[in-house]
Amino acid sequence: KQEVTQIPAALSVPEGENLVLNCSFTDSAIYNLQWFRQDPGKGLTSLLLIQSSQREQTSGRLNASLDKSSGRSTLYIAASQPGDSATYLCAVSNYNQGGKLIFGQGTELSVKP
Amino acid sequence: NAGVTQTPKFQVLKTGQSMTLQCAQDMNHEYMSWYRQDPGMGLRLIHYSVGAGITDQGEVPNGYNVSRSTTEDFPLRLLSAAPSQTSVYFCASSLRGGTQYFGPGTRLTVL
Repeated sequence: KQEVTQIPAALSVPEGENLVLNCSFTDSAIYNLQWFRQDPGKGLTSLLLIQSSQREQTSGRLNASLDKSSGRSTLYIAASQPGDSATYLCAVSNYNQGGKLIFGQGTELSVKP
Repeated sequence: NAGVTQTPKFQVLKTGQSMTLQCAQDMNHEYMSWYRQDPGMGLRLIHYSVGAGITDQGEVPNGYNVSRSTTEDFPLRLLSAAPSQTSVYFCASSLRGGTQYFGPGTRLTVL
């Protein structure tokens, strides 16, 4: 059974710092991996989607990497800002699973001015 | 595009009542899913669909029914509400292998 773990559960950093969020999964036979952002009381916003054949994806200050063989993904946020404060969720989709996502518990990020 | 829409935003039910949570998308996505989000449990899949007329169970399907008569709509029915179904419910849609788009959620309280 696929399990997704995110470390740390919470992170507080000063503004301007570069940071890395970690995601690990137990079954390497994934179809893709997505990183989401969730603000308090809101829905999920997709940040990056990495297909199983890709190693990384970039969007602005965000860079996500994928190492299927080791079952790991990282989300790198450059030059963090207070507006980046939110919960970041990692989710994987397995092959032949019809778009079903298995989520990690999330990392709650606080960026202090 | 409106994306993924959900109604209602908030709902309070009494134990034993039934209701339907509505979900619609205007992106012509094949795949649609329902998740519930609970503190300490994260997001868990309830039911999903890979196209009109095709549905399947997720991790926590008990107490919920779905049907998919059109590509656009994927309603979630609570047959007889229980306090354990108090949660935030999210609907999502995607193309095969594509980015999943989530709705704003429905906050349900069962008394």
